[in-house]
Amino acid sequence: EDKVVQSPLSLVVHEGDTVTLNCSYEVTNFRSLLWYKQEKKAPTFLFMLTSSGIEKKSGRLSSILDKKELSSILNITATQTGDSAIYLCAGGANTGNQFYFGTGTSLTVIP
Amino acid sequence: GAVVSQHPSRVICKSGTSVKIECRSLDFQATTMFWYRQFPKQSLMLMATSNEGSKATYEQGVEKDKFLINHASLTLSTLTVTSAHPEDSSFYICSAPQRGRTNYGYTFGSGTRLTVV
Repeated sequence: EDKVVQSPLSLVVHEGDTVTLNCSYEVTNFRSLLWYKQEKKAPTFLFMLTSSGIEKKSGRLSSILDKKELSSILNITATQTGDSAIYLCAGGANTGNQFYFGTGTSLTVIP
Repeated sequence: GAVVSQHPSRVICKSGTSVKIECRSLDFQATTMFWYRQFPKQSLMLMATSNEGSKATYEQGVEKDKFLINHASLTLSTLTVTSAHPEDSSFYICSAPQRGRTNYGYTFGSGTRLTVV
């Protein structure tokens, strides 16, 4: 059964801290992994990762995929209160064109 | 960028009535639309995949007669929750892949908060 697992389930940090969110996947015919940030409504796209070992960066956020370990991490440096959200990762297969979402990590950044 | 317009954003209905949720792709053709539901503090659960011009594919445990999906055109997919009950109260989101634009992942609608009273 295809599945995606995220850890930790929730995290509370102080502004300025660096956090690392984990995502592991078991997806048949794996093609890509996506990271999303969800605040109040629909998720917003962060990264799509298809190649192992290549880091993608966007400002204070970065992510990398490890196909050998079937996992990915999302790093956020110098966290701000605006980073408080649920971070979802999703694994996609070559077939079926659908993604399997993890349970999400709820991040709370306190001033 | 690609936009999926979803509405209504919020609906309250009486138990036993039906509710239709629409998702429109505004500047691209969505041959496939995914429908998810999300319970509070939980992740997105795929309900079904709709394909333009053919029958939707439902995930295990999802009642196809209760959640009617129609994908009649390349820009419109609808989800109708029939004979809604309070346990159907949830957040429903649609998502469409952008063919040929794999750098951007999938585009989500803004979601519909359904409350059945």
